[in-house]
Amino acid sequence: QSALTQPASVSGSPGQSITISCTGTSSDIGGYNYVAWYQHHPGKAPKVLIYDVNNRPSEVSTRFSGSKSGNTASLTISGLQAEDEADYYCSSYTSSSTRLFGGGTKLTVL
Amino acid sequence: EVQLVESGGGLVQPGGSLRLSCAASGFTFSRYWYHWVRQAPGKGLVWLSRINSDGTSTTYADSVKGRFTISRDNAKNTLYLQIDSLRAADTAIYYCARSTATYLEHWGQGTLVTVS
Repeated sequence: QSALTQPASVSGSPGQSITISCTGTSSDIGGYNYVAWYQHHPGKAPKVLIYDVNNRPSEVSTRFSGSKSGNTASLTISGLQAEDEADYYCSSYTSSSTRLFGGGTKLTVL
Repeated sequence: EVQLVESGGGLVQPGGSLRLSCAASGFTFSRYWYHWVRQAPGKGLVWLSRINSDGTSTTYADSVKGRFTISRDNAKNTLYLQIDSLRAADTAIYYCARSTATYLEHWGQGTLVTVS
């Protein structure tokens, strides 16, 4: 099964907002509300930012938000901060009862 | 504090086997499902496998089915991943993760497997 499609990189200045898209199919993103987003700083454990499309764990900043339309999910980060520079991955449950990750997006804070 | 600590990685020759472990602490290990995910050098995260709370149900990515075996020992609070017929493409950092019903909630720091 092919990975979900994410842009390879995005960038923004401190204080700005950015959105990362994640495109799948009706067998994954489009078929279930089980999309999650993870932040990964190299050398560290990945951390969940968003689950079930638009839910945020209590310890995650409100600057992170998620949404979905059809086969495409999106992660928006508002008020960009230097520490947001990291790799971001979307993930979805699939019709095969497996999980699928996106290829990852490298966020650069200018 | 929830802790997941992977071990068992290292340098292995092609065709060899390896068993990775993930030791859990700080919570009731037997209540949860677990996953293995890997990241090859310079590449993204790839989901590999998951196991249910009592070990009776497992699922694998098509790319590893038949070569990878996920298992657990609830008495030892430990998750395992057996990897057989290792190939260069298996070189990666391997992460274990505890999951809720719908997402991977806590991750370990990973263990590096190098096949060469």
